[in-house]
Amino acid sequence: AQSVTQLDSHVSVSEGTPVLLRCNYSSSYSPSLFWYVQHPNKGLQLLLKYTSAATLVKGINGFEAEFKKSETSFHLTKPSAHMSDAAEYFCVVGYNTDKLIFGTGTRLQVFP
Amino acid sequence: KAGVTQTPRYLIKTRGQQVTLSCSPISGHRSVSWYQQTPGQGLQFLFEYFSETQRNKGNFPGRFSGRQFSNSRSEMNVSTLELGDSALYLCASSLLAEMPLYEQYFGPGTRLTVT
Repeated sequence: AQSVTQLDSHVSVSEGTPVLLRCNYSSSYSPSLFWYVQHPNKGLQLLLKYTSAATLVKGINGFEAEFKKSETSFHLTKPSAHMSDAAEYFCVVGYNTDKLIFGTGTRLQVFP
Repeated sequence: KAGVTQTPRYLIKTRGQQVTLSCSPISGHRSVSWYQQTPGQGLQFLFEYFSETQRNKGNFPGRFSGRQFSNSRSEMNVSTLELGDSALYLCASSLLAEMPLYEQYFGPGTRLTVT
């Protein structure tokens, strides 16, 4: 079955330190992969997407993610966290079934 | 370009009532998807419309229905509301039908509370 797993429900970092949000997917087909961010009381905003081009994908606000087929992972990183990065992050996988499968989300807290 | 808009933003209904939520996609987008977001179940796919036709449907009871108009605007309806229907309902639009390949643009959501 197609699935996506976000390995951490909560991640806490200090401002200025690196961020790592982990995501693994099941590997039936070559998927399309996305990271979305949701700030409180807002809809989801696309951070970046992977669609079988370069394996290192750069997104908005300094975020990037690396597609690793051998590890079936698509972890999201940022070199230096900012207070405004505090939000919930969703890893999303699209397969040929024309449906998107959402991870359960990772809540990122950033401390001053 | 205006983003995806959803109306109303907040809604309080009583058990047994029905509700209609509206979504206007980004101009030129023809695919509209609906999602239910709750703390317990996370984001769950309801259905997707493209060119006024329902293309995909999630695992929700028949009380949940939707439609899309010729201008791509979409509505979803929930009949005989239950307490468990309390959720944030998100609408997303996409330029084309090949949803896995193209990103979706989300509206701010409608917060439905059923009492």
